[in-house]
Amino acid sequence: AQSVAQPEDQVNVAEGNPLTVKCTYSVSGNPYLFWYVQYPNRGLQFLLKYITGDNLVKGSYGFEAEFNKSQTSFHLKKPSALVSDSALYFCAVDDTGGFKTIFGAGTRLFVKA
Amino acid sequence: DTAVSQTPKYLVTQMGNDKSIKCEQNLGHDTMYWYKQDSKKFLKIMFSYNNKELIINETVPNRFSPKSPDKAHLNLHINSLELGDSAVYFCASSQDGASFYTFGSGTRLTVV
Repeated sequence: AQSVAQPEDQVNVAEGNPLTVKCTYSVSGNPYLFWYVQYPNRGLQFLLKYITGDNLVKGSYGFEAEFNKSQTSFHLKKPSALVSDSALYFCAVDDTGGFKTIFGAGTRLFVKA
Repeated sequence: DTAVSQTPKYLVTQMGNDKSIKCEQNLGHDTMYWYKQDSKKFLKIMFSYNNKELIINETVPNRFSPKSPDKAHLNLHINSLELGDSAVYFCASSQDGASFYTFGSGTRLTVV
């Protein structure tokens, strides 16, 4: 069965510093991997996805993620954090080609000014 | 122009009541979903529909009955509401399996 793990409940970073939010996955086939962000009292918003191709994926708002097949990881990164990046981030995986994306437990990102 | 819209945004009701949540998407997507987010923010898939056909029913109690009258709409009816049904329910849609989801803003259901 497919699954995704986000080992950190919370990540704290100072504004202007690089940030990393970790994600590891487990699937039986080739993974479709996604990152979403949720702001308070809002629905989730798509940031980026990996289906195939380059291991470094660029997404919205300056975020990027690195797919590492040997480590089964898909960490979210940003070179310079903003206070406005503070939110709840979800990693997600789907290996069935749709219809059932599984979300991680979420990581809360706090960016301090 | 909202892409995925859910109504109502808030729903407070007593145990044992029956309630419905409506969802509509204007993106022309073929697939729609219902997810439940609990108080710890954990998201769990409930149902997925592709072109009005039920694809995934993720061991949800049969008190929950989805209905898709057309591929732009996916409604959720809940019978005999229980305290444990309190959560935020999200509707989402996607073009196909490799595409990302577009989420609605959620319906916060509180059962008292």
